[in-house]
Amino acid sequence: AQSVTQLDSHVSVSEGTPVLLRCNYSSSYSPSLFWYVQHPNKGLQLLLKYTSAATLVKGINGFEAEFKKSETSFHLTKPSAHMSDAAEYFCVVSPQAGTALIFGKGTTLSVSS
Amino acid sequence: DTAVSQTPKYLVTQMGNDKSIKCEQNLGHDTMYWYKQDSKKFLKIMFSYNNKELIINETVPNRFSPKSPDKAHLNLHINSLELGDSAVYFCASSQEFDVNLNTGELFFGEGSRLTVL
Repeated sequence: AQSVTQLDSHVSVSEGTPVLLRCNYSSSYSPSLFWYVQHPNKGLQLLLKYTSAATLVKGINGFEAEFKKSETSFHLTKPSAHMSDAAEYFCVVSPQAGTALIFGKGTTLSVSS
Repeated sequence: DTAVSQTPKYLVTQMGNDKSIKCEQNLGHDTMYWYKQDSKKFLKIMFSYNNKELIINETVPNRFSPKSPDKAHLNLHINSLELGDSAVYFCASSQEFDVNLNTGELFFGEGSRLTVL
């Protein structure tokens, strides 16, 4: 069965320090992987996606993620956190054609000044 | 111009009532979805329509009935509301259903927060 696990339910960082949000996936197929962000009282917005091209994927707002097949991971990083990055982040997998996206349980990112 | 719009944004109602949430997208997408987000922020797909045809129907009580009058609209009607139906319901759309044929991007509305008392 396909699944996605976000290893931290809550991550707290100080403004200007690096961000690391961890995601592991399980898939029998070559998956497509995504990160979505949800700001308070808003809908989800796509941050970045991996679809079997370059393993290092750059997204919006300075975020990037690296697909590591050997580790079945797709961790999200940002060199320097900004207050506006505080939000809920979802790692998502689409394991095979024609199936619905599977969302992780989310990681809440808090950024303090 | 809002790409995916849902109404109402907030809905408070009594147990046993029937209510509807409307969704419209102006992106020209073929596929629309309803997701339910519970109090722990867990997102689960409920339904998906492609060109007005139902293609995903997860294990959702029969009290939930989606209706797609055209490919730009996907409404959600809920009968006999229960306390457990309290959640945020998100409508979304994508260019096509098969993620391998498109960008894989879902466009979400801002959600409709349903509170059942």
